[in-house]
Amino acid sequence: EDQVTQSPEALRLQEGESSSLNCSYTVSGLRGLFWYRQDPGKGPEFLFTLYSAGEEKEKERLKATLTKKESFLHITAPKPEDSATYLCAVQGFKAAGNKLTFGGGTRVLVKP
Amino acid sequence: GAGVSQTPSNKVTEKGKYVELRCDPISGHTALYWYRQSLGQGPEFLIYFQGTGAADDSGLPNDRFFAVRPEGSVSTLKIQRTERGDSAVYLCASSFMTSGSSYNEQFFGPGTRLTVL
Repeated sequence: EDQVTQSPEALRLQEGESSSLNCSYTVSGLRGLFWYRQDPGKGPEFLFTLYSAGEEKEKERLKATLTKKESFLHITAPKPEDSATYLCAVQGFKAAGNKLTFGGGTRVLVKP
Repeated sequence: GAGVSQTPSNKVTEKGKYVELRCDPISGHTALYWYRQSLGQGPEFLIYFQGTGAADDSGLPNDRFFAVRPEGSVSTLKIQRTERGDSAVYLCASSFMTSGSSYNEQFFGPGTRLTVL
């Protein structure tokens, strides 16, 4: 069974204070690892897909990296508008129906 | 519209009642998913449609839950004899799938917040 664990559960940052979020996973053959951002009262918003170890993707102040056991989401010089819950999910080759298995998320609060 | 839409945005019902939640996917997306998200948790998979058929319903918690997608576009999640434990946000997602596709980002709607009193 695919499993995803995210840490920390919550993160308080000062504006400009860079940090990293961790996503550890176990999956029977990784088809893709996905990062989403979720604002309160809204659905998850797609950020990145990573497919293989060593891959990196960037978008503005966010950079996602992938190893064989975990993924990191690096937030560089965050701004208050980066405050959100960040969700990690995996899709395994053996997961029927291409379903995503999500972690519990990391709630990020960036204070000005 | 450009994104996935869900109606209603909020639904309050009484224990034992029947509810229907609607999802309108992105035009052209053949795959449709339902997830359930409890407060402070990540979404949990319920059911997946490829076209009109339910390709995987392994996440439905019990036989009170049922979903349909009769024309391969709009989907309805149906919950019979609702219980207080069914209270959650129900999320719908869609994706574009082709035979042999190696990836499929799922795009989510805003969700329906269901409260069972």
